[in-house]
Amino acid sequence: SQTIHQWPATLVQPVGSPLSLECTVEGTSNPNLYWYRQAAGRGLQLLFYSVGIGQISSEVPQNLSASRPQDRQFILSSKKLLLSDSGFYLCAWSVRNYGYTFGSGTRLTVV
Amino acid sequence: GESVGLHLPTLSVQEGDNSIINCAYSNSASDYFIWYKQESGKGPQFIIDIRSNMDKRQGQRVTVLLNKTVKHLSLQIAATQPGDSAVYFCAETPDTDKLIFGTGTRLQVFP
Repeated sequence: SQTIHQWPATLVQPVGSPLSLECTVEGTSNPNLYWYRQAAGRGLQLLFYSVGIGQISSEVPQNLSASRPQDRQFILSSKKLLLSDSGFYLCAWSVRNYGYTFGSGTRLTVV
Repeated sequence: GESVGLHLPTLSVQEGDNSIINCAYSNSASDYFIWYKQESGKGPQFIIDIRSNMDKRQGQRVTVLLNKTVKHLSLQIAATQPGDSAVYFCAETPDTDKLIFGTGTRLQVFP
């Protein structure tokens, strides 16, 4: 069966520090991968999605970037965090417009 | 954990009653829809889905209705239980590579 892993679960980072969040999927090949952000009390905003290795589409201009170095690995990064980057970050996968399963999320607090 | 639903519309129901959560979607090209349940501090959990060639689909205690004419989706929960308390999101796929979320509704179940 397919599983999705995200880490860390919580993270507190100072303003101006770098960020790297990792997401890996097991049990499927060539999935679409997604990064979402959720501000407190809000819905999920799609940040990036990837349909294959090295292919990244950005949905909103922001201080973040994404990379997909391997088929089942998706990384969310920032060179310098802003206070507004705080939120709950969620990774998800899908295959052929089906599945859309989410990880457990990373709660990022920028201080 | 992360607090979700602070600014979301709230539906309050008594335990044992039926709940109906509504959602208006935005893109007439969307052909796949999903309802998710999100508990505080956790990632969204798949409840039920429906494709645009259907107008109703039933699961265990849940039913999803789709009205493409008015771009409306609803989730019906029968015999609502305290464990159903959460934030519920509808999501649509305007193309095969994206899943876009609605704003969400917080369901509160009272004994």
